[in-house]
Amino acid sequence: GAGVSQSPSNKVTEKGKDVELRCDPISGHTALYWYRQSLGQGLEFLIYFQGNSAPDKSGLPSDRFSAERTGGSVSTLTIQRTQQEDSAVYLCASSLALSLAGTTDTQYFGPGTRLTVL
Amino acid sequence: KNEVEQSPQNLTAQEGEFITINCSYSVGISALHWLQQHPGGGIVSLFMLSSGKKKHGRLIATINIQEKHSSLHITASHPRDSAVYICAVRSTSGSRLTFGEGTQLTVNP
Repeated sequence: GAGVSQSPSNKVTEKGKDVELRCDPISGHTALYWYRQSLGQGLEFLIYFQGNSAPDKSGLPSDRFSAERTGGSVSTLTIQRTQQEDSAVYLCASSLALSLAGTTDTQYFGPGTRLTVL
Repeated sequence: KNEVEQSPQNLTAQEGEFITINCSYSVGISALHWLQQHPGGGIVSLFMLSSGKKKHGRLIATINIQEKHSSLHITASHPRDSAVYICAVRSTSGSRLTFGEGTQLTVNP
C-alpha cells in the first residue's frame, strides 16, 4: 500500500506568484493535516481536515493561504502572492480518524514539498 | 514559554549507550506523539501515547499525565538512530498538534 504522497517535491517560484501544493493521503484515511517547517525551525500546524471539511484553520498564517480537500481524498494547499517568508518545507500527514473523544490515530507523513520563493 | 519543551536540544552519544530525551508540556492533552525526522527530512511517527508506556524494538516511550512529562528512551543506541526526535501534543481543547523544537541526536560509532 502506498504511503502519503506529495507533489511537487520541490518548487521554486518568484515572489508574488501563486503556488499549489498537492497531497494524496493514504487510501481510507479520513483525517488530513498540513504542516510547515521553516529552515531551522520546528514544525508548525497549518490546517486540519476531517473528510472534506476543515474544522481547524487556525494555523494558516494569513489570508494568502487556503486549502481544500475533495472527495475525502486529495488536498491542495494554495499560497497566493507568495512572499520570501513562505519558503519552507510543507508537510502533509494523514490518519485513519479523529475520534469523537478527541483521541487520534497515528499520523503518517508525506515526504514534503520544499518551497523556495525567490 | 513554549507549550512543549524538549531537552536536551542536542545530544551526542557513543554507540551502545542508553539515551533519554525528555518532553514537558503545559496544557491538558488527549495524546502525545514522538516523531523521528531523518537528515533527508522524512518524518516517521514512532509512538502515540495517552497514558503509561509503549515499547517498539529498542525504543521505549513513557508518559506521566500528572507531571505533564514524557520520555523517549533508546536502548543500545546505533549510528542509524541519529535523527531529530520531536515531541508533539494534542490538547484536549482542539485538534491541532503543538510541536517541541526537537532534539538532534548523533550516535557515533
